[in-house]
Amino acid sequence: DVKVTQSSRYLVKRTGEKVFLECVQDMDHENMFWYRQDPGLGLRLIYFSYDVKMKEKGDIPEGYSVSREKKERFSLILESASTNQTSMYLCASIKIGIGTGNTIYFGEGSWLTVV
Amino acid sequence: TQLLEQSPQFLSIQEGENLTVYCNSSSVFSSLQWYRQEPGEGPVLLVTVVTGGEVKKLKRLTFQFGDARKDSSLHITAAQPGDTGLYLCAGEPPGANSKLTFGKGITLSVRP
Repeated sequence: DVKVTQSSRYLVKRTGEKVFLECVQDMDHENMFWYRQDPGLGLRLIYFSYDVKMKEKGDIPEGYSVSREKKERFSLILESASTNQTSMYLCASIKIGIGTGNTIYFGEGSWLTVV
Repeated sequence: TQLLEQSPQFLSIQEGENLTVYCNSSSVFSSLQWYRQEPGEGPVLLVTVVTGGEVKKLKRLTFQFGDARKDSSLHITAAQPGDTGLYLCAGEPPGANSKLTFGKGITLSVRP
C-alpha cells in the first residue's frame, strides 16, 4: 500500500519557536510537495521538490524553508513560528503517469497551532 | 496562476437524492483530478481525467471532463451519508510538471 507519513498529527508551538514538520514516502517518488490548507482559502502550495537537494518555491513560501536530503524525506521548516502560520499542513508525493495523469498521494495532515 | 472555481460551495441534501457539482476554469488543463477529504484527514484521490469529453464512473459517482479540458463535473446518484465530505478538484496546467492548481472545494453533507 502506498504510504505518505507525516510525523506529527497535532502540534502546539509558541511564537518564535523553530518548527520541523517531517514527511516520509515509501514509493520512491521524486516529486514531493508541501501545502497548507485553510478554511475558505483551499490548498496553497508552499514548496516543492523534484529530487534530492532540489527545492522550488510555491505560491506562499514566505516564512518557510524545506530540506530534501534523502529521496524519501521532505521536511518543512518554520524558522520562527508566527500565529498566522496556524494551519493544517499537508505533504504530498506524486507518481508521474505518462498519458494517464499523475497520481498524488497525501499524508494525513499535521495540525499546527502557534500560540 | 490558473484558477479553478468550484460550485456550489456548500450543499446539504437528503439521502437518496442525486446531485451534480462543478469545477470550472477559463484555462486548459492537461489533466484534472477529484479528491474527497474527510475532517481531520488528507485528501484521497477519486479519479483523474485526461482526455476532453472523457467520462469515468466510480460506483455511484460519474466524472466528466469538458471537451475543451477547462472544466469538469461530478454527479452522484442516490447520495448516501458516507458521501459526506469536502470534494476538491485539482488541475495540472500544461507544462506544469505535476504542480497542481486546487479549487477551494465543495462541502457536501448528506442527511440520513
